[in-house]
Amino acid sequence: AQSVTQLDSQVPVFEEAPVELRCNYSSSVSVYLFWYVQYPNQGLQLLLKYLSGSTLVKGINGFEAEFNKSQTSFHLRKPSVHISDTAEYFCAVSVDNYGQNFVFGPGTRLSVLP
Amino acid sequence: NAGVTQTPKFQVLKTGQSMTLQCAQDMNHEYMSWYRQDPGMGLRLIHYSVGAGITDQGEVPNGYNVSRSTTEDFPLRLLSAAPSQTSVYFCASSDYDGQDTQYFGPGTRLTVL
Repeated sequence: AQSVTQLDSQVPVFEEAPVELRCNYSSSVSVYLFWYVQYPNQGLQLLLKYLSGSTLVKGINGFEAEFNKSQTSFHLRKPSVHISDTAEYFCAVSVDNYGQNFVFGPGTRLSVLP
Repeated sequence: NAGVTQTPKFQVLKTGQSMTLQCAQDMNHEYMSWYRQDPGMGLRLIHYSVGAGITDQGEVPNGYNVSRSTTEDFPLRLLSAAPSQTSVYFCASSDYDGQDTQYFGPGTRLTVL
């Protein structure tokens, strides 16, 4: 079975500063990796995903993530955050398996301060 | 496309009452799922379906029933509501493939008194 760890439950950062949200996973098989964002009082939407190929993945709103197989990590980064990036961010893993595909991490709440 | 729609947006129930949360999608996706979101616990899978007529349990299925009579609809039934079921419920759909993006509805905020 797969599992996802997001070590930081809350990350406060000042506007225009860089940010990194950490995600580690465990799995006995190859996985696909996702980052979703949830803005206040909304559903989740996809930021980016890693399926194969280049380990650096670029997503929407200037976010990017790097897949590191040896460290089983998929950390999310943005070089300069905006107030509008304030949201909860979820890392998720998926496998090609009949049935339960997605496992989500507990989430990291990013607060961007003026 | 409306995407994934959920009704109602808010609901307050008394302990022991039953109700159905509605979910519909217009993307012809085979895979649909229900999650509950509780603070600090991320999203936990309640039930899922890989196609019309096929459903299965997720991580936290107790107290919930589902059915899938059409590709579009996937209702979630609370049989006898309990305060522990106070949560935000999300429905999601995707093509049946581990690589595919899941599309989420806006959620239903349920309070059980």
